[in-house]
Amino acid sequence: KQEVTQIPAALSVPEGENLVLNCSFTDSAIYNLQWFRQDPGKGLTSLLLIQSSQREQTSGRLNASLDKSSGRSTLYIAASQPGDSATYLCAVNQGGSEKLVFGKGTKLTVNP
Amino acid sequence: EAGVTQFPSHSVIEKGQTVTLRCDPISGHDNLYWYRRVMGKEIKFLLHFVKESKQDESGMPNNRFLAERTGGTYSTLKVQPAELEDSGVYFCASSRTVRRYTGELFFGEGSRLTVL
Repeated sequence: KQEVTQIPAALSVPEGENLVLNCSFTDSAIYNLQWFRQDPGKGLTSLLLIQSSQREQTSGRLNASLDKSSGRSTLYIAASQPGDSATYLCAVNQGGSEKLVFGKGTKLTVNP
Repeated sequence: EAGVTQFPSHSVIEKGQTVTLRCDPISGHDNLYWYRRVMGKEIKFLLHFVKESKQDESGMPNNRFLAERTGGTYSTLKVQPAELEDSGVYFCASSRTVRRYTGELFFGEGSRLTVL
């Protein structure tokens, strides 16, 4: 059974700092991995999707890496801003269905 | 273009009562998903519709939960009778194509269910 773990559960940093969020999964036979952002009281917004054959994806100040064999992904946020404050969720998809398996998320607070 | 809309945003009911949650996907999106987050736990998959057909309902917890998508447009998720452990936030999401190829998956803001 696939399990996704995100560390840390919460993180508080000063504005401008570069930071890394971690995601690990127990079954390396994934189809892809996706990072989402959730603002309080809102739905999830997709940030980056990494296919199993890829090593990383970049979008603006965000960079996500994937090491499938070791069951790990990281989300790197450069030059963090208060507007980046949100909960960041990692989810994996395995073959056979469209189902996503989520981690519990990392709550990020960027202080001005 | 309107996003995924869910109704109600919050429902408070007594144990044993019935609640129906509704999701209106983005127009033209054939794929519709239900997920839920129980307090302190991760978001978990419930089921996936392609148009009006249930493609995958492996996440439905038990037969107290009934999801429908008549006509392949909006979907309803009925909980009957509701139990305390059903409390949580129920998310709906939709996509035009299969999500895994594009990553395009649009979530609603969720329906918070509180069972007393």
